[in-house]
Amino acid sequence: DTAVSQTPKYLVTQMGNDKSIKCEQNLGHDTMYWYKQDSKKFLKIMFSYNNKELIINETVPNRFSPKSPDKAHLNLHINSLELGDSAVYFCASSQEVKALSGNTIYFGEGSWLTVV
Amino acid sequence: RKEVEQDPGPFNVPEGATVAFNCTYSNSASQSFFWYRQDCRKEPKLLMSVYSSGNEDGRFTAQLNRASQYISLLIRDSKLSDSATYLCVVSPYGGATNKLIFGTGTLLAVQP
Repeated sequence: DTAVSQTPKYLVTQMGNDKSIKCEQNLGHDTMYWYKQDSKKFLKIMFSYNNKELIINETVPNRFSPKSPDKAHLNLHINSLELGDSAVYFCASSQEVKALSGNTIYFGEGSWLTVV
Repeated sequence: RKEVEQDPGPFNVPEGATVAFNCTYSNSASQSFFWYRQDCRKEPKLLMSVYSSGNEDGRFTAQLNRASQYISLLIRDSKLSDSATYLCVVSPYGGATNKLIFGTGTLLAVQP
């Protein structure tokens, strides 16, 4: 069983469209994240939720809106897609909020978004 | 200055070689340190945490120098399967939140 699963894995869409990426974790973790990895392979956190509550919200355009219906799900909706949104988006989860050495973050396999 | 800096490589080494990666971080208040591994077109996975006293896991040894704000990873007896990007990761918030800051990674290619 995949611990952190996200769909779709590949998404090609036109500029201006609205799209969503879904994420689910079956690890019983309390904390979930969205990370973005750009073309230069730089991985950066976008959002973090703990028990459905937003706790980290980096400087991300308002076009990006996370939604956590329950602690096992964290979806990412993107409005009015732009060329610069092309990247790999990784969902992740961890048991705790705190960055302790034993608190491993588990990543999903990534969603490759290409905006044309 | 980037919060976490790494030599991007690539490091091309023969099988059996010993290779060392270095990483520096800018926030002296950082409390937690990790090395993650990312295979091509795959997700990052935790390789090992880094403790102040240094720690070893099989062929892998991690060191932390807080005074110099420097982290290292040593891989002994390199295997072909070690080929990947190695990400230096730092948590700058002293455990308050799990915000991880990733370096851009060092690419390792182990040659037969």
